[in-house]
Amino acid sequence: RKEVEQDPGPFNVPEGATVAFNCTYSNSASQSFFWYRQDCRKEPKLLMSVYSSGNEDGRFTAQLNRASQYISLLIRDSKLSDSATYLCVVNGGNYGQNFVFGPGTRLSVLP
Amino acid sequence: DTGVSQDPRHKITKRGQNVTFRCDPISEHNRLYWYRQTLGQGPEFLTYFQNEAQLEKSRLLSDRFSAERPKGSFSTLEIQRTEQGDSAMYLCASKEGGSYNEQFFGPGTRLTVL
Repeated sequence: RKEVEQDPGPFNVPEGATVAFNCTYSNSASQSFFWYRQDCRKEPKLLMSVYSSGNEDGRFTAQLNRASQYISLLIRDSKLSDSATYLCVVNGGNYGQNFVFGPGTRLSVLP
Repeated sequence: DTGVSQDPRHKITKRGQNVTFRCDPISEHNRLYWYRQTLGQGPEFLTYFQNEAQLEKSRLLSDRFSAERPKGSFSTLEIQRTEQGDSAMYLCASKEGGSYNEQFFGPGTRLTVL
């Protein structure tokens, strides 16, 4: 089993739709969690950190369920500019300071 | 621009040759990471440094790969005797200490091994 798994995608949605991405991780010792966004042929950039209490940033909401080792990202009122690959990231390793990226889920928002 | 920089941006080499990539992190960041990314996959962790100390190395990293960060500033990643399977984007990232601090990525070095 891979350390971090994500919905395989791609997701093709119309503008204005709500879309949810799921991620599961295998290392129960992981302590920090993130969603990164990667545009085509660009480097990944932080979208948001995911805290135990869940957090919201505008149209984006992230949730963490430690018991199920599950992370989600909800995008409301999707825009054309949201088209990208969304990467779930979990810390791990012996010192907890390396980061394991999921394979990513590609989103295309269509006009 | 004081972001993470990488050099070169593209490298084409023949199988069996050695290549070296450089990463200049954001100056106040003490942690530096190397990743490899292939098409359709997320970045794969290779190694990371805290200052000049290499603290962790992926077991996927063969002994043909070596990384250094001699003065705790820039870092180099060398691949010896390149193979076609080494073709990938090599990404460098840096961050400050603290679990939730953001990693900032450089633009990457795209390696093609012929």
